Amino acid sequence: DIQMTQSPSTLSVSVGDRVTITCRASQSISNWLAWYQQKPGKAPKLLIYKASTLESGVPSRFSGSGSGTEFTLTISSLQPDDFATYYCQQYNSFTWTFGQGTKVEIK
Amino acid sequence: QVQLVESGGGVVQPGGSLRLSCAASGFTFSSYGMHWVRQAPGKGLEWVAFIRYDGSNKYYVDSVKGRFTISRDNSKNTLYLQMNSLRAEDTAVYYCGKDRASGAAGIDYWGQGTLVIVSS
Repeated sequence: DIQMTQSPSTLSVSVGDRVTITCRASQSISNWLAWYQQKPGKAPKLLIYKASTLESGVPSRFSGSGSGTEFTLTISSLQPDDFATYYCQQYNSFTWTFGQGTKVEIK
Repeated sequence: QVQLVESGGGVVQPGGSLRLSCAASGFTFSSYGMHWVRQAPGKGLEWVAFIRYDGSNKYYVDSVKGRFTISRDNSKNTLYLQMNSLRAEDTAVYYCGKDRASGAAGIDYWGQGTLVIVSS
């Protein structure tokens, strides 16, 4: 099974900071990767799919890149609404796996 | 607008059964694959199962194979998850989700979740 490893687990940042979260796959998944944002007590929200395509309605400060085994989610200038936990999710051969999550908290 | 509403959660004893439902509206349900994803208290997300738009193929995470069954009724716009032989480690909030496209482009709409507690 493909394992997804996110880093870091926690990120302490300030409003306006540039934020980068990394997700590594245990084997190549081409560009079959999505990123989600989840706030406490709420369902996840799709931010990016196919590694770099921004979901409709998602602010352009979010971007994704990568292919193969290494992927990044970047928030260009963190806004107060962006404090949340972020998950990557891979798709390969009809299995789907989430990373363990990265909590973005206020410094 | 797209709405997904889960129901059927509750408290069940180990070894017991429960059936979750997810009522869909606001989109052509019969055209999209659907997922179940769960989240144990204080933990991360875990994908549980996927069913193709027509119910022809179903896929499961290893930990629920043989115990859980995903199904759908396209005439009722409803997704189901039959959970048997429940274990304490199945305790979680269960979310249903609409697949964005062919299983390979993420889950673009989610329900609010329904809590399942497996405890004696």
